[in-house]
Amino acid sequence: KNQVEQSPQSLIILEGKNCTLQCNYTVSPFSNLRWYKQDTGRGPVSLTIMTFSENTKSNGRYTATLDADTKQSSLHITASQLSDSASYICVVSANSNDYKLSFGAGTTVTVRA
Amino acid sequence: DADVTQTPRNRITKTGKRIMLECSQTKGHDRMYWYRQDPGLGLRLIYYSFDVKDINKGEISDGYSVSRQAQAKFSLSLESAIPNQTALYFCATSLGGQGANEQFFGPGTRLTVL
Repeated sequence: KNQVEQSPQSLIILEGKNCTLQCNYTVSPFSNLRWYKQDTGRGPVSLTIMTFSENTKSNGRYTATLDADTKQSSLHITASQLSDSASYICVVSANSNDYKLSFGAGTTVTVRA
Repeated sequence: DADVTQTPRNRITKTGKRIMLECSQTKGHDRMYWYRQDPGLGLRLIYYSFDVKDINKGEISDGYSVSRQAQAKFSLSLESAIPNQTALYFCATSLGGQGANEQFFGPGTRLTVL
């Protein structure tokens, strides 16, 4: 069973609207959680990283939240733009020194004009 | 000025053929990885290398082999390709020690096995 579950699998929003993506994980112990953005035909690129002591992190119009107690994270996109159309992947690490990462399957976001 | 490059970007091959995917990086990182991505699944680790003399199997290494020719180069081979190896393949790099889990990905190679 995947240790990182993301929802929804996909969503469509109109340009200018907001949306929130969810990530639930069972990885233990927990070191950090990253959100990656993967554009079509490109590799994933890190958007944010949060350790267990951080409960929010922003990167422009992207805001990630983390509740380490309930093992949930969310990524909020504000005032969406066409360029936000991409897959967003939640990645959890059990150890900051460890190469082993647990990847979610991603949420595909389509922004329409 | 891509830091991690992969060649080819797209490849169509036939069952039973040998194929090599190549990865080069200019980040100066010691650690390199090969992943595959399938629809509806998270990235899965095939092989990883911590330096030129260190090669390790990941969770799905069967049917694959790798070669670390230099610090900057890490290639993935499919000795006899089969259709269920059709996938998107990513190379990634990272530092060792602290920060080891911040991985930087190449653009991917889309492989189709007919």
